[in-house]
Amino acid sequence: DIQMTQSPSSLSASVGERVTISCRASRNIDKNLNWYQQKPGKAPKLLIYGTSNLQSGVPSRFSGSGSGTDFTLTISSQQPEDFATYFCQQSYTNPRTFGQGTKVEIK
Amino acid sequence: QVQLQESGPGLVKPSETLSLTCNVSGDSISRYHWNWIRQSPGKGLEWIGYIYSTASTNYNPSLESRVTMSIDRSKNQFSLKLRSVTAADTAVYYCARLREWGMGFDPWGQGTLVTVSS
Repeated sequence: DIQMTQSPSSLSASVGERVTISCRASRNIDKNLNWYQQKPGKAPKLLIYGTSNLQSGVPSRFSGSGSGTDFTLTISSQQPEDFATYFCQQSYTNPRTFGQGTKVEIK
Repeated sequence: QVQLQESGPGLVKPSETLSLTCNVSGDSISRYHWNWIRQSPGKGLEWIGYIYSTASTNYNPSLESRVTMSIDRSKNQFSLKLRSVTAADTAVYYCARLREWGMGFDPWGQGTLVTVSS
């Protein structure tokens, strides 16, 4: 299985701050990397697919980059509704695997 | 608007079979891959497997010996059976659509908590 490792596990940010979350794959996954946002008691919501493609309806302050084994999710200006847990997930091969999550809290 | 809704017992006894159904509305189940994913505090998000409209399946090797998925095109729903459950199978179970191989899971059902306990 491909292991997905996110860093940090949690972070504190202020409204308006730029937030960056990293995700590393245990081997090359090209650009087959997706990002999800999850709020308490809710299902994960797809934000970005294929490393950098914004899912319909997702604000443009979210962006993704990377390739191979190293990937980044960036929130250009953190908004109150963005405080949540974020997961990366590889879609390169089965079994599909997820990172352990990064919780973004209010500073 | 595509919506998925899980249903099934919230409590299952150890060694018994967990059975869940996902009802799909707003899209035909006769295309795309239909997935089960679970989430527990201990193991995070874990992909269980998918079933395609042709009824071909692909399961996570870690669960493959205990999992069966099926599809009912007449009801536009698909199902999960997980045999010989233990407390480690306690989790929130989600169903989700996968439109293309390299894309993400979207949308997801709201999830259903299944507790394994006597």
